Amino acid sequence: GQSLEQPSEVTAVEGAIVQINCTYQTSGFYGLSWYQQHDGGAPTFLSYNGLDGLEETGRFSSFLSRSDSYGYLLLQELQMKDSASYFCASMTTDSWGKLQFGAGTQVVVTP
Amino acid sequence: GAVVSQHPSRVICKSGTSVKIECRSLDFQATTMFWYRQFPKQSLMLMATSNEGSKATYEQGVEKDKFLINHASLTLSTLTVTSAHPEDSSFYICSAYQSGHKPDTQYFGPGTRLTVL
Repeated sequence: GQSLEQPSEVTAVEGAIVQINCTYQTSGFYGLSWYQQHDGGAPTFLSYNGLDGLEETGRFSSFLSRSDSYGYLLLQELQMKDSASYFCASMTTDSWGKLQFGAGTQVVVTP
Repeated sequence: GAVVSQHPSRVICKSGTSVKIECRSLDFQATTMFWYRQFPKQSLMLMATSNEGSKATYEQGVEKDKFLINHASLTLSTLTVTSAHPEDSSFYICSAYQSGHKPDTQYFGPGTRLTVL
């Protein structure tokens, strides 16, 4: 089976840095993606890691360690608009494109 | 980036009726489309994988006779919730994927909120 674990909620102030961890148990693991979803909206793609290491995209970075079955999303210079749910999602080799989502982390940014 | 549309965005129906939701890739050909369901404050749960011209593959626990999926063209997939009941009320989201591309070339539609009275 597959499972992904991430914290349920994180609260931080504007300008701070937040790290959302994701541990996974996925057979045939291929890569880890991160999505942002605002209330009532569709998920939007943030970052993808197919290889170990850090991927940086503006204020958002994502990291993967295959040996530890672990990844994280780093949100820097937090803004109020970053208040949303963040999901890690794994992809496997047996079904290209198919995503298994974690439960999601609610990020609350306070003034 | 590529655009995926869903129609309708919201639908309210009576218990026992059927509802059809359309998912369209507007500017690319989607060899595969995925259908997800999301209950409030929960994650996206994959319901089925839809490949153009073939039968959909349903995830365990999803009733294929209740959730009918048709992927008749490379730009359109439809999900029909048959004999809907209040417990089917949820947020249904499709995503469209272009085979052979990187994983980040999967695009999500805006979702359809279904309320069954």
